[in-house]
Amino acid sequence: SQTIHQWPATLVQPVGSPLSLECTVEGTSNPNLYWYRQAAGRGLQLLFYSVGIGQISSEVPQNLSASRPQDRQFILSSKKLLLSDSGFYLCAWSGGGNSPLHFGNGTRLTVT
Amino acid sequence: AQSVTQLDSQVPVFEEAPVELRCNYSSSVSVYLFWYVQYPNQGLQLLLKYLSGSTLVKGINGFEAEFNKSQTSFHLRKPSVHISDTAEYFCAVSDISGGSNYKLTFGKGTLLTVNP
Repeated sequence: SQTIHQWPATLVQPVGSPLSLECTVEGTSNPNLYWYRQAAGRGLQLLFYSVGIGQISSEVPQNLSASRPQDRQFILSSKKLLLSDSGFYLCAWSGGGNSPLHFGNGTRLTVT
Repeated sequence: AQSVTQLDSQVPVFEEAPVELRCNYSSSVSVYLFWYVQYPNQGLQLLLKYLSGSTLVKGINGFEAEFNKSQTSFHLRKPSVHISDTAEYFCAVSDISGGSNYKLTFGKGTLLTVNP
């Protein structure tokens, strides 16, 4: 069966520090991969999605970037964190077409 | 582009009471519809989905939803809730033309609180 791993679960980082969040999927090949950010009362905002290795689409301009170095690995990065980057970050995968999204357990990022 | 409106940000109910969480969407094309549940500090879990066929969709944990195309709604219902149903519920929509670039648009969520 397919599983998705996301780490770390929680992270506290100072303003201006770099960020790297990692997500990996097991048990499937060539998944669509997604990064969402969730802020209280604002639902889920799609940040990036990828349909293949090295293919990244950005949904909103921001201080973050994403990379997909391997088929089942998706990384969210920042060179210098801002206070506004705090939030709950969720990685997800889908099989494409009409298949639903499957989410990881999320990373709670607090920028201080 | 599509959008999703969850009409209630919070719904408090008593245990064993029925509940309905409302969701309306707007889209210029045919859509797929989903409900997800999120427990505190966890990711989202799929409750049910509507792709085609019968407009009444049954999901996990006793939930069901009805697709109403004329009213562009996809309300979630459960006849008798449990304390363990306390969570945040998200409605989501994706247009059928999405193909492999499949993206969901989520509502802002409804916090269901079941009280004893």
